[in-house]
This record gives sequence, C-alpha cells and structure tokens, in this order.
Amino acid sequence: GAGVSQTPSNKVTEKGKYVELRCDPISGHTALYWYRQSLGQGPEFLIYFQGTGAADDSGLPNDRFFAVRPEGSVSTLKIQRTERGDSAVYLCASSPGGGWDNEQFFGPGTRLTVL
Amino acid sequence: QKEVEQDPGPLSVPEGAIVSLNCTYSNSAFQYFMWYRQYSRKGPELLMYTYSSGNKEDGRFTAQVDKSSKYISLFIRDSQPSDSATYLCAMSITQGGSEKLVFGKGTKLTVNP
Repeated sequence: GAGVSQTPSNKVTEKGKYVELRCDPISGHTALYWYRQSLGQGPEFLIYFQGTGAADDSGLPNDRFFAVRPEGSVSTLKIQRTERGDSAVYLCASSPGGGWDNEQFFGPGTRLTVL
Repeated sequence: QKEVEQDPGPLSVPEGAIVSLNCTYSNSAFQYFMWYRQYSRKGPELLMYTYSSGNKEDGRFTAQVDKSSKYISLFIRDSQPSDSATYLCAMSITQGGSEKLVFGKGTKLTVNP
C-alpha cells in the first residue's frame, strides 16, 4: 500500500517568504508527527496530531511555525517569514495510534532551502 | 549535554564485518529504545525496538540495552553493502500526554564490497 507522501520534495525560497509543506499520511492512521532534520543531525520533534487536534506542539521553535490537520488526514506545516536557519529536511510520520507501540512510518521529507 | 549522544562517524567497514553502533543517554525517563535506518534522501525506517535491558535479535541485527549504564547498541553481523546507510538511535518518552521520540545524530555507515 501507499506510504507517507510529502510534497514538494524540494522547496527553495527566499528569506522572509511564506511556505507550506504538505503531508499525506497512511490511510487510517490517526497519529501524525512533524520532525525537522538539520544537516548532520537526527530528526527533532516539532508537533504531534491525534486526529484533527494538535495534542503536543511543544517542539515548534517559535510562532512563525504553525501546522494544521483540519480533517484528520492531510496535514500542512506552515512557516512564515522564513529565515536561513529554517533550512532543513522536514519529515512527516504517521502511526495507527499515538503510543510507543505504534510504529511511526516516515515520509521521504521535504528539503527546504531558504536563500 | 544532549539527552542522546551518538558518534556520527563516519564508519567504513569491509563486507562481512561485524558492526557495532552505540548511543548513550542521560534521561532515566526514556522508556523504549529504537534503531532506525535512513538511506540517503529517504525517511527513517524502524529496524528494531525494545524496552527492557538485555538483547533482542532479528536476523543479522542484535539490539542491546543496558539501562543501568544508560547505553544502547546495535550489532550488525555479516554486514552487506546494502547496509550502507545512516543509523539513528531513538528513545521514547511520555511528556505532556504524548509519546515523543528523541533521536541521536545518527552514525553514517559504509560497507565496502
């Protein structure tokens, strides 16, 4: 079956612009996670959705970052007034539920470059 | 000091070698321990997970956890060129009502034919 998909695969933008990154989770998965992976680092947690609601957004670095999941399926990560330090791979993962014993399946990521 | 420490390598071994990958951690609240494999330009994929001290084996892979030393390892026997990837350790913790994964930096492994 289809895995987690993310679009676009690459995004180049200029400092100060607004970007949206999309995640299509595996069908039926209620839990959805966003991570950010900087060069040479492991993924860092940003936000976790259970259904439509953000159950934990403690990893969002500041108020320029926002994510939604209005129908409990597709999610969009939104970054306002992008900065060069936002350049990273943004990974989305989904799982059947939110507990540790529900494996998180990762998408291929969106590589964001802020010039 | 980061909560999870992992030597980024790179690590280069000949085909057939035994590979040992390690992570240390500082937070005793970590409950579950995982190893992910990440090929270039791909997302991480789960290799193994465990929650208790001891060994867990799956084919050529063995995961080892020592909670008293806060140390986890992944061993790969008879390594193959297809094992060339970045290996990430990850640990789960319950914070704010949700399960979070905390990753190490990853170790880049190259297995040479």
